[in-house]
Parts: sequence; C-alpha cells; structure tokens
Amino acid sequence: DAGVIQSPRHEVTEMGQEVTLRCKPISGHNSLFWYRQTMMRGLELLIYFNNNVPIDDSGMPEDRFSAKMPNASFSTLKIQPSEPRDSAVYFCASSKDTQYFGPGTRLTVL
Amino acid sequence: QKEVEQNSGPLSVPEGAIASLNCTYSDRVSQSFFWYRQYSGKSPELIMSIYSNGDKEDGRFTAQLNKASQYVSLLIRDSQPSDSATYLCAGPVTPYNTDKLIFGTGTRLQVFP
Repeated sequence: DAGVIQSPRHEVTEMGQEVTLRCKPISGHNSLFWYRQTMMRGLELLIYFNNNVPIDDSGMPEDRFSAKMPNASFSTLKIQPSEPRDSAVYFCASSKDTQYFGPGTRLTVL
Repeated sequence: QKEVEQNSGPLSVPEGAIASLNCTYSDRVSQSFFWYRQYSGKSPELIMSIYSNGDKEDGRFTAQLNKASQYVSLLIRDSQPSDSATYLCAGPVTPYNTDKLIFGTGTRLQVFP
C-alpha cells in the first residue's frame, strides 16, 4: 500500500494567492483528516470527513479555508487568499480505526 | 488547563537508559490515548494505543494510563539513538469515537550514545 499521498510536498507562494493542497487517502479508509502543524500551536485538527461527508470543521481558522472531498479517494484543502500566518506543515491523515498520516505539505506564504 | 499537556523537553537520556514521557489531560478528553512518534521533518507515526487503566507493553515500549490522576505515560526501555524524536500524546474528545483527536504539543527526546 502506498500510504496517504499528499501533493505538493512543498509550496511557496505570495500573500494573496490561492493555494490548493491535495490528498489521496489509503484505499478502504472511511475517515479523512486535515491537520496543520506549527511550532507555536502544535498539531491542530482543521476538519475531518467520514464517508466523504464533512463531520467537524470547527478547527478551520476562518472563511479563507475550505475543504472538499468529492469522492472516497481524493480531498482538497484550499486557502484563498493566503496570508503569511498560514505558513505551516499541513498533514492529511486517513483512518479505518487508526489514523495514518501522509508526508505533509510544507507551505510558505511570503 | 490545556486539554492535553506535555512537557516540550528536550528530554535527554543516555543510550540504554529508560526514557519516561508524560502527558496529562483535562476532563474534556476521553480516556483512551495514543502515542505518536514524529521524526524531524517527517509525519507522526502511531506507536502505542491504550484504552484501559494500567499498563500496556509492546516490545521496548510501555504505555501507562492512570485515569484517577488523568495521566498517561510512555516508557521506552533500552533507549537507542534512533528513538530520538518528538513524541506526541493524543486523546479523543468524544468517548468511543477515536476520530477527533486532540494532540499535545509533544516532548522532544534525545538519546545520546
């Protein structure tokens, strides 16, 4: 199994630009999670889906952030417009009963 | 009180020693816990889970859960330099639903030869 796949692995963009992060969960997993990790705040859950349906988005910082899961094998996290304080590592994880993390996307907003 | 709290460290131990990592949690966190290991620049990896009071052993790792004291720990016996990483403690917010986890900020462990 390839594990959770995320792309891109690194993203550098300028303030105000739209950023789209992508995730392919492990086949057969029915839950998908988006996390953000920073030195100051640690690992924070942004949103999670169960069977492609958003269950809890209370961790999404503001309206600039949106996430979709159009099917069981793909999810996106979009930031529009991006700001320097969005710079972080964004992890996608999937689970059937145990969460497995993808390699992460390191986002830098200049 | 933070919901899941850990000492950020670093915790430095010599090779071969026992490393003890601790985590406390608030009433809001349900009482089953997970320990994740995160190497620098890598993603978190689950190493232990514990659901009931007491000890659970897996190889060199032992997780201990004390519900009365709201305290969970991870012991690493015969520590190796390859154990040097950040260890994250996590607990679910909702009982019997381990989907939504709250993570501590992690304890950095350094094992020196």
